[in-house]
Amino acid sequence: GQGVEQPDNLMSVEGTFARVNCTYSTSGFNGLSWYQQREGHAPVFLSYVVLDGLKDSGHFSTFLSRSNGYSYLLLTELQIKDSASYLCAVRGYQGGRALIFGTGTTVSVSP
Amino acid sequence: GALVYQYPRRTICKSGTSMRMECQAVGFQATSVAWYRQSPQKTFELIALSTVNSAIKYEQNFTQEKFPISHPNLSFSSMTVLNAYLEDRGLYLCGAGDWGTSAETLYFGSGTRLTVL
Repeated sequence: GQGVEQPDNLMSVEGTFARVNCTYSTSGFNGLSWYQQREGHAPVFLSYVVLDGLKDSGHFSTFLSRSNGYSYLLLTELQIKDSASYLCAVRGYQGGRALIFGTGTTVSVSP
Repeated sequence: GALVYQYPRRTICKSGTSMRMECQAVGFQATSVAWYRQSPQKTFELIALSTVNSAIKYEQNFTQEKFPISHPNLSFSSMTVLNAYLEDRGLYLCGAGDWGTSAETLYFGSGTRLTVL
């Protein structure tokens, strides 16, 4: 079957970093996206990766290993406002193109 | 920029009644609209994917008879929850994308929170 797995929670300290892991299994891989969702709000697109390796986007980076079905989102120089849920999403079911989401990892940044 | 307006933000309906939610895309062409339900436990369920000029594809456990969707043009989509019961409660999200130009980006509306009494 298909699925996207993420840890439920992650705690970190302001000024340090947080790495949000994601493992997935799909029938045919067509890219992986990361979204940020704040409580009571809609998900906001952060990044999309389809090739193996690290993609640096400044405040955050994303890594992908297709052979391992694994990705991570790395948040650096954490700020309190980075506290949110981070969702991993992969495309999709065979023949379809919709994103399949994980349940998200709640990142809590403390002073 | 690309925006998606979703309304209503929240709604309360009596068990067995129906409610409709709508999404309006602004600043891009919503060639595809995916409807999701996020449970109180934060689980994301894909309900259906609608692409203009194609048949709407429903996921397992979701049917057109229960969640009819309309996607008449490149800026508007609506979904109705018919005969709502307690298990239908949650945050309903529409995610719209222009999959002709940006295949992976979905822009989400603010969600419609459904409470069933």
